[in-house]
Amino acid sequence: EPEVTQTPSHQVTQMGQEVILHCVPISNHLYFYWYRQILGQKVEFLVSFYNNEISEKSEIFDDQFSVERPDGSNFTLKIRSTKLEDSAMYFCASRGTGVNTEAFFGQGTRLTVV
Amino acid sequence: AQTVTQSQPEMSVQEAETVTLSCTYDTSESDYYLFWYKQPPSRQMILVIRQEAYKQQNATENRFSVNFQKAAKSFSLKISDSQLGDAAMYFCAYRRRHFGNEKLTFGTGTRLTIIP
Repeated sequence: EPEVTQTPSHQVTQMGQEVILHCVPISNHLYFYWYRQILGQKVEFLVSFYNNEISEKSEIFDDQFSVERPDGSNFTLKIRSTKLEDSAMYFCASRGTGVNTEAFFGQGTRLTVV
Repeated sequence: AQTVTQSQPEMSVQEAETVTLSCTYDTSESDYYLFWYKQPPSRQMILVIRQEAYKQQNATENRFSVNFQKAAKSFSLKISDSQLGDAAMYFCAYRRRHFGNEKLTFGTGTRLTIIP
């Protein structure tokens, strides 16, 4: 069964450092998403992406965040200068373009900022 | 803006019994989807069941079924014959039914404990 793959599973970084979280969406999906879940809290939407551009972004997704689809298979989330409050689980999801299609989630990357 | 509310932060149920998790939502849209996602300790988000708002019939998926009340904007999940593997966080989610890159809006979750 096709799946969304995220790497790494756990990333520890120092405050102020840049991190890049990687995702390989399901191959025939064209809608991509990043969500964030701070420990013990709800899953929050960060950004959606289609046709090489951002479709929508939340208030959380400020200038420190960026997304890219560099090579037609990967979908990355970059945080330029991490803060302690960026510590969270980051989920990538992808979906086919039909209106009835489901979002499939990756297993998440746990980001710890120290 | 759409909102999803789960008023039960924690629930517990005896193994083999039935439990119902509550969810309410607010939207001005008439056409949308509702979902229940399960998040076990591994933290992966797993789709349990979905409901199309235009369908009157409640969705079922094996031991999982929903009670969708569109007028009341209520969407509860019933788990029958609860099993130890059902222990997880359960999130209710909403998505507008639209041709486009629509996001999911999640509730705050209900932690379900199964008592052996």
